Amino acid sequence: EVQLVESGGGLVQPGGSLRLSCAASGFTFSTYRMNWVRQAPGKGLEWVSYIKNNSQTIYYADSVKGRFTISRDSAKNSLYLQMNSLRAEDTAVYYCARFCAVHDPHTKYYYYYMDVWGKGTTVTVSS
Amino acid sequence: QSVLTQPPSVSAAPGQMVTISCSGSSSNIGNNYVSWYQQLPGTAPKLLIYGNNKRPSGIPDRFSGSKSGASATLGVTGLQTGDEADYYCGTWDSSLSAWVFGGGTKLTVL
Repeated sequence: EVQLVESGGGLVQPGGSLRLSCAASGFTFSTYRMNWVRQAPGKGLEWVSYIKNNSQTIYYADSVKGRFTISRDSAKNSLYLQMNSLRAEDTAVYYCARFCAVHDPHTKYYYYYMDVWGKGTTVTVSS
Repeated sequence: QSVLTQPPSVSAAPGQMVTISCSGSSSNIGNNYVSWYQQLPGTAPKLLIYGNNKRPSGIPDRFSGSKSGASATLGVTGLQTGDEADYYCGTWDSSLSAWVFGGGTKLTVL
């Protein structure tokens, strides 16, 4: 069964750090791009970060750039999110999601989507 | 303020049809494929539509997607109470080098 399981969430004070993990199973992790997506309480989905399967391409949302670092370890089938200088507005459920890139032979473009999601881990930033 | 614009809510009676719009620009929907996600209360998002109009295995054909220019639409026919959820559109934004979501639409089946 294809599965993603996040861990590492918790309560942290403003300015603190936290490292989230996402354990992948049931598929060849090294061949897939991955994302982190978060959802603040009562709010919509917000994309956080993307990492290509070879880690050579990484993107961040402006709201976390310079504070968060995405990484992956294919030997451990794991995705990580190092979160530093945390703020109250970082309070959210954090999901990892598998990112698919499929080549459309008709248009020659790629189409992208997130097809597998974990259940999420909750991060609360509060004093 | 989301890059993609969705109506905050839509509603319809059981058995009826509803559409949810998602409006963007040439840097996102206009030149990239759209996907749609369903989030039932208290659960993680689930892929509903990808590549503008393709359904993953297991998604009933009551759900459909379309795209025209810089806008996309999710259609749901034969509404069931179990369809009550938040629905999000998403796509890649080539100018931002970022994935963007719509603000989400709450579907209520009256």
